[in-house]
Amino acid sequence: GESVGLHLPTLSVQEGDNSIINCAYSNSASDYFIWYKQESGKGPQFIIDIRSNMDKRQGQRVTVLLNKTVKHLSLQIAATQPGDSAVYFCAEHQGNTPLVFGKGTRLSVIA
Amino acid sequence: KAGVTQTPRYLIKTRGQQVTLSCSPISGHRSVSWYQQTPGQGLQFLFEYFSETQRNKGNFPGRFSGRQFSNSRSEMNVSTLELGDSALYLCASRGRGDTDTQYFGPGTRLTVL
Repeated sequence: GESVGLHLPTLSVQEGDNSIINCAYSNSASDYFIWYKQESGKGPQFIIDIRSNMDKRQGQRVTVLLNKTVKHLSLQIAATQPGDSAVYFCAEHQGNTPLVFGKGTRLSVIA
Repeated sequence: KAGVTQTPRYLIKTRGQQVTLSCSPISGHRSVSWYQQTPGQGLQFLFEYFSETQRNKGNFPGRFSGRQFSNSRSEMNVSTLELGDSALYLCASRGRGDTDTQYFGPGTRLTVL
């Protein structure tokens, strides 16, 4: 498969453990944030989103936390599985402007 | 509901040639955005079309252009290809609201020789 990023930060976790992926965003006026997962050979896949009037949102096995004070976003994956291995991107958005993506983090799950 | 589709999936061209990539958004979605993804630069925004009008444009040279048709399908064109244009080109569509989630297609892998 193609390489999404040759020099991405990598997080290695044991299968069954929880994973935390962090992202610092740049625009304090951003009002909408999204996490995407990209597997080799595929386009980014939506995981979860959060609006700026919230600080936490939960999905199935995933939780996104937003700290607007320090412009920080995190994605928590519970009970990480081999199928979670991928590159994870955060993206920020303000009003009608385009999404701005972070550089990505490669998650590697050790079976 | 079918997802975003892109054609072709893979393309090999030589320097100086031009290329046209196609994107069909999710049914009912009127906004289509294009991104370039490379290992060195990550995901970079090219342009966004909404109702056949370019709504936003990224910082790419004029060799990169696009258009959107009345059925919301979109094409992007790259003229006078350079080696550095080799990348994964991704299309994403979203629904009515400006903050609706963007859904991506599988991408077109362009290799310039």
